[in-house]
Formats: sequence, structure tokens, C-alpha cells
Amino acid sequence: EAGVAQSPRYKIIEKRQSVAFWCNPISGHATLYWYQQILGQGPKLLIQFQNNGVVDDSQLPKDRFSAERLKGVDSTLKIQPAKLEDSAVYLCASSWGLAGDGTGELFFGEGSRLTVL
Amino acid sequence: SQKIEQNSEALNIQEGKTATLTCNYTNYSPAYLQWYRQDPGRGPVFLLLIRENEKEKRKERLKVTFDTTLKQSLFHITASQPADSATYLCAPGGADAGNMLTFGGGTRLMVKP
Repeated sequence: EAGVAQSPRYKIIEKRQSVAFWCNPISGHATLYWYQQILGQGPKLLIQFQNNGVVDDSQLPKDRFSAERLKGVDSTLKIQPAKLEDSAVYLCASSWGLAGDGTGELFFGEGSRLTVL
Repeated sequence: SQKIEQNSEALNIQEGKTATLTCNYTNYSPAYLQWYRQDPGRGPVFLLLIRENEKEKRKERLKVTFDTTLKQSLFHITASQPADSATYLCAPGGADAGNMLTFGGGTRLMVKP
């Protein structure tokens, strides 16, 4: 079974530039998540989709971050304009059901490491 | 606000000993708790899930306990090996957590041969 695919693996940009990350979840997984992980910290949930609808985006900085899940499969996360504090690893994960219903685990991709200079 | 605390200091133990990691949470009552392992430069990998009505769960050399009174979960690795060296993340979840999975800051375990 193929895992969660993410690209790019690494990205370096100047502040105020824009960047986009792509995620392809495990086939058949209804729920997709984007987490931000700053060095030395645990992952922080940014947005959670079920199929192509947003379940929770309360921690997404909507003035600069946006995300969409096309046709309930692939997803993109965009940052525009980037700030220095956005330097982090952006992790995509997927699961069969909602994280909140405790039906199982999250499967994570390898992450996209963003450095903002 | 909801808070999850894991020991931010690295835990160093000798090979063959039992490693015990702690996860404390406050201001909510999760229906379950998950533990993940994360290696440097990799995404977290699921290890175990324990529900609020389960006191203990085992999987090979791993054991997790869940004390809803103390609001604490303990994660044990018996007969630890250098290959167990990694960061371990706890993640309480459930309806009381807004149906989201929120992660603690993780504890880094170093097993020395």
C-alpha cells in the first residue's frame, strides 16, 4: 500500500514570497490533515478535511495560509506572503475516519521542510 | 485551555532497561489517547491507541496505561534497544477535544548500548 506522498521535500524562500505544498493521501482515506511542526515542538493541526469539506481550520492563519482538497483526494497548502516564523516542517496525514471518532491512526507523509529567509 | 505536557528533556537510558515516558493533559477529558514515534526528518508513525475505558494496552515490548483520574498516560518500552531511540509523541483525542488529534511536544529517548 502506497503511503502519503508530499512534495516538495525542501523549499527555501525569501520572506514575503509565496509557496505551495502538495499532498496525496492514502487511497480511500476520507480525512486529510495538515500539521505544522516547528523544530523541537510537536505537530500543530492547521486544517482538517473530511472528503472535500473542512472539518476544522480554527488554527489556520487565514490571512496568509489557505488550503483546499480537490475532489476529496489531493490537497494543497499555500502560504502567501511567507514570514520568518513560518519556517517549519509541514506534515500531511490521512486516516480512514475522523480523528475524533477514535477509529484509528493517522498516517503521515515525510513532510515538506520550509525555510524562510 | 487544553494543555498536553510531555517531558521536554531527553530521556537517556541503558540498553536492556525499561523506558517510561509520561504524558499529562489538563482541562479536558479525551476519549482516547494515541502514541506515535518520530525519527529525525521523518513523519510520525502510529504505535498504540488506548481508550478511556481501558487501563492498559500492550503490543510486543510496548505498554501504555491511561489514568483518567490522574489525567495521565504512561508509555513503557521494556528491554529497550538502541533502535528505540527516537522522539515519542502522545496525542489525546475525542469529542471533548473538538474531534481533533492534538499532539504533545514529544520526549526524545536515547538508548545507549
